[in-house]
Amino acid sequence: QQQVRQSPQSLTVWEGETAILNCSYEDSTFDYFPWYWQFPRESPALLIAIRPVSNKKEDGRFTIFFNKREKKLSLHITDSQPGDSATYFCAAKNQGGSAKLIFGEGTKLTVSS
Amino acid sequence: DPKIIQKPKYLVAVTGSEKILICEQYLGHNAMYWYRQSAKKPLEFMFSYSYQKLMDNQTASSRFQPQSSKKNHLDLQITALKPDDSATYFCASSQGGTGGDEQYFGPGTRLTVL
Repeated sequence: QQQVRQSPQSLTVWEGETAILNCSYEDSTFDYFPWYWQFPRESPALLIAIRPVSNKKEDGRFTIFFNKREKKLSLHITDSQPGDSATYFCAAKNQGGSAKLIFGEGTKLTVSS
Repeated sequence: DPKIIQKPKYLVAVTGSEKILICEQYLGHNAMYWYRQSAKKPLEFMFSYSYQKLMDNQTASSRFQPQSSKKNHLDLQITALKPDDSATYFCASSQGGTGGDEQYFGPGTRLTVL
């Protein structure tokens, strides 16, 4: 059972546009939602994260919007750059317990110049 | 200097053999993890350790055994290797406890089982 879902599977935007990556989850006990990006042949790198006490988290061109009621979040990348081309993973962690991260299947973003 | 070291970077093994994947972290973290990534599945949690104690095991097979000889080491022993075990195995670490949830990933070991 996939507890974290991402859409779209792939996304292409032009340089300078805003890319919107979506994520939804099922378990209301999740208390931490990090986004990772992964470039080909590299390991996932932590990009930005949010907790349910907030509905927005911003870091430069990257912003997470969080809707606790609908169990949805999205990552907005403004002024997209070719260097942003990567696979983006949404993940979630349960409060307490083992701290394991449950990952979505990823969105492959391509930024064309 | 790399903060999380995984060895080897690439590994080729024959079916039925045994291999050990090495992970060392120099971030001063108290919690360490193993994840697996293959073409068939997204990043998949395998094990978590906190202060050298096993906290969670989501691996159905006993062929996968984590080994923690030091607080900053978490190796992964895989026995009776199968072609389906072919994947990239990532070690990760975090502060643990109340210190923070941010998990940082090592460079990975890409395992191919023939």
